[in-house]
Amino acid sequence: AQTVTQSQPEMSVQEAETVTLSCTYDTSESDYYLFWYKQPPSRQMILVIRQEAYKQQNATENRFSVNFQKAAKSFSLKISDSQLGDAAMYFCAYGLGGSNYKLTFGKGTLLTVNP
Amino acid sequence: NAGVTQTPKFQVLKTGQSMTLQCAQDMNHEYMSWYRQDPGMGLRLIHYSVGAGITDQGEVPNGYNVSRSTTEDFPLRLLSAAPSQTSVYFCASSATIAKNIQYFGAGTRLSVL
Repeated sequence: AQTVTQSQPEMSVQEAETVTLSCTYDTSESDYYLFWYKQPPSRQMILVIRQEAYKQQNATENRFSVNFQKAAKSFSLKISDSQLGDAAMYFCAYGLGGSNYKLTFGKGTLLTVNP
Repeated sequence: NAGVTQTPKFQVLKTGQSMTLQCAQDMNHEYMSWYRQDPGMGLRLIHYSVGAGITDQGEVPNGYNVSRSTTEDFPLRLLSAAPSQTSVYFCASSATIAKNIQYFGAGTRLSVL
């Protein structure tokens, strides 16, 4: 079974600084996707960024980028120019290709942004 | 622009009571799923559906039933609520063209006393 591990239960960053959240996963599959979801206090799950395993290029979305190391099974999220609105719980998730109905989630990292 | 709608947002039950958590999506997605979120556990899959009339169990299905009579609706039933079912429940939908992206509802916070 696939597993997703987020080793940092909590992180903090100063406003305007950069922070990196870690995620590792375990799979024997070659066709899969990786995601970072943000969950603010409102509880809504918001997709931050998505990476396809077969693409070597790291995904970016504005201030958010990933460092995808396929051989090491590592998928970290970098948030640049952190803003107060970035404060949230962040979940790393794994999805097997063709299995659109299931994501395997890590336990989450709570990010605090200090003014 | 509703997306995935869950009702109710909050619910308190007594042990042994039954209830149905509603989930509806208006994006014509074929895939729908139910997750529960417990503190320190992330989200875990309860049941899922790959189309109308087709459902299957996820990681933590015990104590829950589902059915899917239409593409739009995927209700989750608790037949006899237990305190261990106190959790936040999320419904999600996806489509083949969505490339594994799941779209989530706002969640239902359920307390079983």
